[in-house]
Amino acid sequence: EIVLTQSPDFQSVTPNEKVTFTCRASQNIGSNLHWFQQKPGQSPKLLIKFASQSISGVPSRFSGSGSGTDFSLTIGSLEAEDAATYYCHQTAALPGTFGRGTKVEI
Amino acid sequence: QVQLQESGPGLVKPSQILSLTCSVSGDSISSGGYYWSWIRQHPGKGLEWIGNIYHSGSTQYTPSLKSRLTMSVDTSKNQFSLKLTSVTSADTAVYYCARARGRSTSNYLDVWGQGTLVTVSS
Repeated sequence: EIVLTQSPDFQSVTPNEKVTFTCRASQNIGSNLHWFQQKPGQSPKLLIKFASQSISGVPSRFSGSGSGTDFSLTIGSLEAEDAATYYCHQTAALPGTFGRGTKVEI
Repeated sequence: QVQLQESGPGLVKPSQILSLTCSVSGDSISSGGYYWSWIRQHPGKGLEWIGNIYHSGSTQYTPSLKSRLTMSVDTSKNQFSLKLTSVTSADTAVYYCARARGRSTSNYLDVWGQGTLVTVSS
C-alpha cells in the first residue's frame, strides 16, 4: 500500500503567521492527494481536493500544491480557529491511505 | 444538503460481530458518481480507510480487514452497512461513514458522518 509521510508531526504557530506542512507519498500518486482538517470531537472536513483544487466554503487562506510524490498545504495567514490536526489522504490506489497528521497549536 | 448518520451498538463483546449502518439523506444512494465509504479512527490516533461500496453492491476492502469485513447497501432504505466479525479490542475506534465522489480510485471524501464510537469490551 502507498505510505504517506507527513511533517512535521506538531507545529506551534502564532496568529497571522504563514504555515506550510508537507506530505510525501511512497510512490507516484499524480494529483490524487486530498487534505482534511479535523478538530477535536469533530469529523474530518475536506479542505483541498486533487492536490490544489479549492473547495467551496473553505477560506481562501488554505491552498495546496504538488504532484507525484511531494505535496504541501499552506495556510496563508493563520487564525485561531485553524487549531486542528491536518491529514493528507491518497486515492490513487487501493487501499486508500492517510498520513499520520500534523497537529497545529496556536 | 447531503447528510450521513452512523448508527449501531456502542459496545460489542470480543469475538462478536460489529454492525453499523449509515443512513443517507439529501441524496439518493443510487445516484451515480459516488462510492460510499467507511473510515475508522482509533482513540487518539490517525484515520484508517476501511472500504468502499457502490450502489450496485460492488465493494473494495482494505486488505488488513478483508477476511472479517462485509459491506452491503440497501437502496430502498438509502442506507449502507458494515459488518466486522471476530472483533477484538484493536477494533475499538470511532467509525465514520463518508461519501466518496468520483471513481473507485481517484475520488475524494466530500461528506462525512459525525462518527460513532464503538468499544470492544466484555
